[in-house]
Amino acid sequence: NAGVTQTPKFQVLKTGQSMTLQCAQDMNHNSMYWYRQDPGMGLRLIYYSASEGTTDKGEVPNGYNVSRLNKREFSLRLESAAPSQTSVYFCASRDNRAPGQYFGPGTRLTVT
Amino acid sequence: RKEVEQDPGPFNVPEGATVAFNCTYSNSASQSFFWYRQDCRKEPKLLMSVYSSGNEDGRFTAQLNRASQYISLLIRDSKLSDSATYLCVVNISFQKLVFGTGTRLLVSP
Repeated sequence: NAGVTQTPKFQVLKTGQSMTLQCAQDMNHNSMYWYRQDPGMGLRLIYYSASEGTTDKGEVPNGYNVSRLNKREFSLRLESAAPSQTSVYFCASRDNRAPGQYFGPGTRLTVT
Repeated sequence: RKEVEQDPGPFNVPEGATVAFNCTYSNSASQSFFWYRQDCRKEPKLLMSVYSSGNEDGRFTAQLNRASQYISLLIRDSKLSDSATYLCVVNISFQKLVFGTGTRLLVSP
């Protein structure tokens, strides 16, 4: 099993550009999450999806949209990137019957 | 007040030492608790859950004190490979984890 995979690993955008971060898991987990991690701050939840077809806002959803394409895939879209969105983005998934979340390797995004 | 607070460290210890980290949380309705480990420029990985009765996994012991709202992690016989940042994580509702900013541990030869 690959676990949770994310693409791309690195990305540089100019202000105003758009992009989609991809995430997939092969563990048959129901719940999936998008976080951002910034220096001096804990991981902050952007959006989550409790099951296929549902999405909900987390702590910092502004400037982002998500799609739960199917049970495996959960994408994060930046419609008009801003320098404040420079961060490391982690996708995670969880089996609803077990504690803890499993994280992907992250995407390092820089917006200039 | 932050929802989860940790001493950022770094804690510098020699190999073989015992080291303990504490973490406090503010939401008394928090449901479950975890320690995650994060290596530099890598993703967080679940180290262990924390139970009220305390639990042990090899050299690692986790304790929860609900009355005082703190969680601890004790590492015995530290190894060089234990060098990492340890994240205290609190589950405040079914889908929402709140992460501390982490405590950095450096184990030296």
